[in-house]
Amino acid sequence: LAKTTQPISMDSYEGQEVNITCSHNNIATNDYITWYQQFPSQGPRFIIQGYKTKVTNEVASLFIPADRKSSTLSLPRVSLSDTAVYYCLVGDKRMAGSARQLTFGSGTQLTVLP
Amino acid sequence: EAQVTQNPRYLITVTGKKLTVTCSQNMNHEYMSWYRQDPGLGLRQIYYSMNVEVTDKGDVPEGYKVSRKEKRNFPLILESPSPNQTSLYFCASGGGTGVTEAFFGQGTRLTVV
Repeated sequence: LAKTTQPISMDSYEGQEVNITCSHNNIATNDYITWYQQFPSQGPRFIIQGYKTKVTNEVASLFIPADRKSSTLSLPRVSLSDTAVYYCLVGDKRMAGSARQLTFGSGTQLTVLP
Repeated sequence: EAQVTQNPRYLITVTGKKLTVTCSQNMNHEYMSWYRQDPGLGLRQIYYSMNVEVTDKGDVPEGYKVSRKEKRNFPLILESPSPNQTSLYFCASGGGTGVTEAFFGQGTRLTVV
């Protein structure tokens, strides 16, 4: 499994766009990048997954450059309820969806301030 | 509604008293897993199951047992709980063709005194 590096914490204000970058220098050809969100005392929740370029859903966007050695989760116009820990995971697609040996790392604690 | 259900949500018990935390999923997923989450240590996998009657150890299996007799259920058993098993536990399920995300339960906060 590729090792990932994320900032430990970030602060933002309501209404701003937040970008969280994840570094994964050893990403393999078959690996996908998956982001999960976890609120205090709740289970992680899938946000978005991508392989290359840009993926967008109703919650977030995921930007992946051509070399795929990093990725950026973008949360548009955050609110107080977006305060959570965000985890970047790298592995094959089946791993990400299997709940088998998901390696979460420390994640990024995002705090949204009023 | 697709969900993973754990019970109980909160449990306080005494050292050595056997307990079972239940987990059930309604999505017909192949894979199910148990994780524990501790401050500063993140989420660590205890056991996982690839299908009925197929289970394997994760990173921290000592002191735990699991069984997978039915596809939807994956109970976590602590035969003789100890205080170092005080933690927040999560069950997860996923897998199958085209499934790209894992689903987690709401968690069970266990305290062993």
